[in-house]
Amino acid sequence: QSALAQPASMSGSPGQSITISCTGTSSDVGSYTLVSWYQQHPGKAPKLMISEVTKRPSGVSNRFSGSKAGNTASLTISGLQAEDEADYYCCSYANRRWVFGTGTKVTVL
Amino acid sequence: QLQESGPGLVKPSETLSLTCTVSGGSISSGNYFWGWIRQPPGKGLEWIGSLYYSGSSYYKPSLQSRLAISVDTSKNHFSLKLTSVTAADTAIYYCVHTLAAAFDSWGRGALVTVSS
Repeated sequence: QSALAQPASMSGSPGQSITISCTGTSSDVGSYTLVSWYQQHPGKAPKLMISEVTKRPSGVSNRFSGSKAGNTASLTISGLQAEDEADYYCCSYANRRWVFGTGTKVTVL
Repeated sequence: QLQESGPGLVKPSETLSLTCTVSGGSISSGNYFWGWIRQPPGKGLEWIGSLYYSGSSYYKPSLQSRLAISVDTSKNHFSLKLTSVTAADTAIYYCVHTLAAAFDSWGRGALVTVSS
């Protein structure tokens, strides 16, 4: 099963919004509302930011939001802040396995 | 909380063994999966396997022949064994707790290097 496709890098100025795409297939993203997103700062373990496409765990800023249309899920970061500079990974459950995205490095200019 | 432990260096063709100790709750309570995710240095995340406390397990197909994940409820920990390792298995290995198919709690990670 191939990794979900994400842009390798994205950037934005403080205060701007960016949207990271995560493209899978009808066998994973397209078939389940079980897409999650993770933020990873250098040298740290990943942190869950979004589960079940749109749900934000307690403590995660409401500047982070998720959506899905067809085989593509998206993570939007609104009001970009310096602390949002990190790697972001999507992940989809798919029939007794999980598949991650290729990862997106977000740079705050 | 989750904490990985095990050797940081494994020789090629040998078996990589890691344990994840769960604290702050029982590994057998709730409808949860426990699992392992790895990240080669400088690369992305790779799910390798998960199991339910009762023993049902799911493995990444490409690793299935070399992989075993087990749980010891008496010690409140679960373990990973990966046989016949090569340099390609060098990675940071994270143990994770799964809720609603999302990995909501992660260990700090354990770097395992495969080298002679």
